[in-house]
Amino acid sequence: SQQGEEDPQALSIQEGENATMNCSYKTSINNLQWYRQNSGRGLVHLILIRSNEREKHSGRLRVTLDTSKKSSSLLITASRAADTASYFCATVKTQGGSEKLVFGKGTKLTVNP
Amino acid sequence: NAGVMQNPRHLVRRRGQEARLRCSPMKGHSHVYWYRQLPEEGLKFMVYLQKENIIDESGMPKERFSAEFPKEGPSILRIQQVVRGDSAAYFCASALTGGGYEQYFGPGTRLTVT
Repeated sequence: SQQGEEDPQALSIQEGENATMNCSYKTSINNLQWYRQNSGRGLVHLILIRSNEREKHSGRLRVTLDTSKKSSSLLITASRAADTASYFCATVKTQGGSEKLVFGKGTKLTVNP
Repeated sequence: NAGVMQNPRHLVRRRGQEARLRCSPMKGHSHVYWYRQLPEEGLKFMVYLQKENIIDESGMPKERFSAEFPKEGPSILRIQQVVRGDSAAYFCASALTGGGYEQYFGPGTRLTVT
């Protein structure tokens, strides 16, 4: 089963509005990462938040982490049409002596001009 | 500094043929990861390699799939005797260190099996 699960699965908003995406996970983590994927492209790393951090900002992005609820949220403020993409959270799973990223199914964000 | 390169970008194979996917990591990165993505799905981990070594292949099917990362040259993901179910986008990512930190992704290879 997926370690990270995003919701909603799809989100459609108007340019200028804020977009909030959520991610829940099951086991304890060292860090949680958010990635963006434009249609037909590879993933781009957006932000990493460590387990001892509660909030992190990067430009128009704000990520929160609540380890007691095993959840994280990604907020994009003042959205633009160019923010249209799928957004994935990823957590680290340690198995067999190595760490690997486990991705959720993503939230598909559409920003209408 | 060039990003992660993958080729080919699109690959069409008939059932039973072999598919070879190549990945050149970012300069200075010795950790390579391969993922598979089905339409409308997230990425699924397949294999993690470090120069000349397979560190973790727990996500890769035991049969028909193999991966290598030689001392010189790109990492190769090989799929033998492809079947329709192998049709997917295959992404490679590289990292400066292991430990599940920031990974840099290539543009992917879209494999279509006819």
